[in-house]
Amino acid sequence: EAGVTQSPTHLIKTRGQQATLRCSPISGHTSVYWYQQALGLGLQFLLWYDEGEERNRGNFPPRFSGRQFPNYSSELNVNALELEDSALYLCASSPMQYYSNQPQHFGDGTRLSIL
Amino acid sequence: KQEVTQIPAALSVPEGENLVLNCSFTDSAIYNLQWFRQDPGKGLTSLLLIQSSQREQTSGRLNASLDKSSGRSTLYIAASQPGDSATYLCAVQGGSEKLVFGKGMKLTVNP
Repeated sequence: EAGVTQSPTHLIKTRGQQATLRCSPISGHTSVYWYQQALGLGLQFLLWYDEGEERNRGNFPPRFSGRQFPNYSSELNVNALELEDSALYLCASSPMQYYSNQPQHFGDGTRLSIL
Repeated sequence: KQEVTQIPAALSVPEGENLVLNCSFTDSAIYNLQWFRQDPGKGLTSLLLIQSSQREQTSGRLNASLDKSSGRSTLYIAASQPGDSATYLCAVQGGSEKLVFGKGMKLTVNP
C-alpha cells in the first residue's frame, strides 16, 4: 500500500512569490492535514480537509490556503512568500475522523526555502 | 490552549540502555496521544497511538503509557540500538482533530 506522497521534495522561491505544494493521501483516506515544521518552532497545525471541505485551520494568515480535490488529494498554496515561511511542510492523512481515533500517517514533506 | 512539553530536548546514551522518554500536556481532554519518530530531513513515522481510554500500548521494544489525569505519557525503549537514533515526538489529539506536538527529543544511541 502506497503511503502519503508529497511533491515536490524541495522548492526554492523568492520573497513575494507564490508556492504550491501537493499531497496524495493513502488510498481510502478522506482526511488530509497540513503541518508546518519551521526551525525552532516545532510542528504547527495549518489546515484540515475532509470530503473536500476545510474543517479547521491553525493560527496562520489567510495567505496560507488550500483545497482538496474529489480524489482526496490536496494542494497547499502560500501567497506573498516571506522569509519566515521557510520550513518543512508535512501532509498527513487518515480515514474520516470525528473522534474515530485513527492515527495520522505522514508523508516525507516538502522543504520550502525562501531566498 | 493545549501545550505539549518534552524534556529533555536531547539525550545521548550508549547502546543497550533502556530508555524512558517523557511527555506532558496541559489539557487532559484528549482523544488520543501518539508517539512519532522523525529521521533527519524526513517525515514522521507513527510508533504508537494510545486512546484516551487506554493505559498503555506496546510494539516490539517500545511501550507507551498514558496517565490522562496527570497529563503525562512515557515512551519506554528497551535495549536501545544505534538505529533508534532519531527525534521522537509526542502529540495529542483533541476535539478539533488537529495534533498538537511537543518540540521533540533528539536521541543519539552510541555504539
